[in-house]
Amino acid sequence: AQKITQTQPGMFVQEKEAVTLDCTYDTSDPSYGLFWYKQPSSGEMIFLIYQGSYDQQNATEGRYSLNFQKARKSANLVISASQLGDSAMYFCAMREVNSGYSTLTFGKGTMLLVSP
Amino acid sequence: DAGVIQSPRHEVTEMGQEVTLRCKPISGHDYLFWYRQTMMRGLELLIYFNNNVPIDDSGMPEDRFSAKMPNASFSTLKIQPSEPRDSAVYFCASSFIGDLEQYFGPGTRLTVT
Repeated sequence: AQKITQTQPGMFVQEKEAVTLDCTYDTSDPSYGLFWYKQPSSGEMIFLIYQGSYDQQNATEGRYSLNFQKARKSANLVISASQLGDSAMYFCAMREVNSGYSTLTFGKGTMLLVSP
Repeated sequence: DAGVIQSPRHEVTEMGQEVTLRCKPISGHDYLFWYRQTMMRGLELLIYFNNNVPIDDSGMPEDRFSAKMPNASFSTLKIQPSEPRDSAVYFCASSFIGDLEQYFGPGTRLTVT
């Protein structure tokens, strides 16, 4: 079974609108971390936001927020007020304690296109 | 800080040739990771090191792949002999034990013809 599932291969949004990118995960580990990375067309991987499994509040970083629903094992990324520069691939990833808390498992990614 | 440095950025080689990818992690980081990204398989962890010691190489696809970290500031990923199916973007990433995130290099785009 996949540990990270991103069901949206592609998403379209208009500039200035909010968009939610879905991510569900599968783990039996009580301690884990969830990450979102952005990969623009230039290819680099850019860290966006992190949520720990024991964090009580949803993580926020500027226009990025993580809608963490632990019971449903989902960690959706919400981008508010989309900008043209947000067009990129977005990857959800998880790090589990049982794996030594060092390695990341990535989802397949969601391509986001922001139109004017 | 210059970030994680990878070289070359692009490599085109013929099947059967040896390919060596290089990585310089961020100074002070004690973890180093090699990933491969393809359209079919996404981002896969190949191997990672802690304090220059390989910890998990279960993601290395075949014996044709080998990785070394002779010191804290340098690592190589070697493919010998290379095959067309090795064509991918190879990322190196590093982190410090207290960090939450891994810091990725710009990647090396490998094309094997």
